[in-house]
Amino acid sequence: EAQVTQNPRYLITVTGKKLTVTCSQNMNHEYMSWYRQDPGLGLRQIYYSMNVEVTDKGDVPEGYKVSRKEKRNFPLILESPSPNQTSLYFCASRSNQGETQYFGPGTRLLVL
Amino acid sequence: AQKVTQAQTEISVVEKEDVTLDCVYETRDTTYYLFWYKQPPSGELVFLIRRNSFDEQNEISGRYSWNFQKSTSSFNFTITASQVVDSAVYFCALSEWGGSYIPTFGRGTSLIVHP
Repeated sequence: EAQVTQNPRYLITVTGKKLTVTCSQNMNHEYMSWYRQDPGLGLRQIYYSMNVEVTDKGDVPEGYKVSRKEKRNFPLILESPSPNQTSLYFCASRSNQGETQYFGPGTRLLVL
Repeated sequence: AQKVTQAQTEISVVEKEDVTLDCVYETRDTTYYLFWYKQPPSGELVFLIRRNSFDEQNEISGRYSWNFQKSTSSFNFTITASQVVDSAVYFCALSEWGGSYIPTFGRGTSLIVHP
């Protein structure tokens, strides 16, 4: 089954404790991205990657890092989480021909 | 720069009513895609439809229909005979060729269907 998976689905952590949210897709998509969703603000892009070893900042990259060492994986790293990073995070992927973006199930993060 | 506006923050209807969710977009590109996604209370984002800029045909899928009008830069979504299961947040999105097809999302419209 074609899908985007994210882990963990739920995470409670404390300020300053490094964490990684994994994202993996099995559709051989070149493009992957991370979004955060906050009430009243919709979906905002954090980082995106057009292909392996190619990443770029989205609209709200501060406090986040990403890497794209393999085509299927695109982890999101929070080196020192802060409470304002409490949010719902989505990973997404699509082919580079501009077709439909498919989303993972979301990761709910609470930073205390 | 591309922009998507969903002016309706929240819509409340009673079951069986028809409801239209508005989406207005801005782009300087002639080649672009428009999308609608549904986010039910469970939280996942479900793809509903994709339209490219060269296809202005309206589309109907069961109780769902979409009206794409380039003249008014709108891509509105109508649910006929709404049901409680339609309660969700709906997002409209735009991706344009000049922007490497990196999508911009509207802020979403929360639809509440009361029994």
